Amino acid sequence: GAGVSQSPSNKVTEKGKDVELRCDPISGHTALYWYRQSLGQGLEFLIYFQGNSAPDKSGLPSDRFSAERTGGSVSTLTIQRTQQEDSAVYLCASNPDSTRGTQYFGPGTRLLVL
Amino acid sequence: SQQGEEDPQALSIQEGENATMNCSYKTSINNLQWYRQNSGRGLVHLILIRSNEREKHSGRLRVTLDTSKKSSSLLITASRAADTASYFCATGPFTGANSKLTFGKGITLSVRP
Repeated sequence: GAGVSQSPSNKVTEKGKDVELRCDPISGHTALYWYRQSLGQGLEFLIYFQGNSAPDKSGLPSDRFSAERTGGSVSTLTIQRTQQEDSAVYLCASNPDSTRGTQYFGPGTRLLVL
Repeated sequence: SQQGEEDPQALSIQEGENATMNCSYKTSINNLQWYRQNSGRGLVHLILIRSNEREKHSGRLRVTLDTSKKSSSLLITASRAADTASYFCATGPFTGANSKLTFGKGITLSVRP
């Protein structure tokens, strides 16, 4: 079946603008994660959604970052007033029930803030 | 903070040779996973080993886990040029409802044809 999809694949924006990144998880997966990967680095956890529970936002680096998940499916990560240090690849992953198992990753959105 | 730390940071081998990559972690875990990433895009899950397991095989992959040393190794046998990628270990937490994974910085593997 279809995997995790993300859009856009690439985004170039100017400093100070807002951006929205979208993630479509695998159908039926209740858990959804956002990670950020800066150049040459590992993945940094941002936020986690599980079903109807309150999301774990502990990884969001500042209040300019927010995310929502509508209807338990699609998620949008919003970065307001982007800064150059926000440039990174933003990766979304999902898994069936967050039982600490395999996560299925999307191809990522490469964000460049000029 | 990084939980998993991979070693070496970069590895270059000849096609046909075996590649061994190591990962160390700091806190108790439920499981440890290895992922591969090509060209800085999405990660592909390779193998998961649970804390009560010591060794696991999948095709040309062999993973070991030593919870007393808080370390794991990934062995790729008979490497191929297509194995060239970055490899990450990730740990799943022992407790808590959040199954977020904590990743290391990765190992860059180059397999020369």
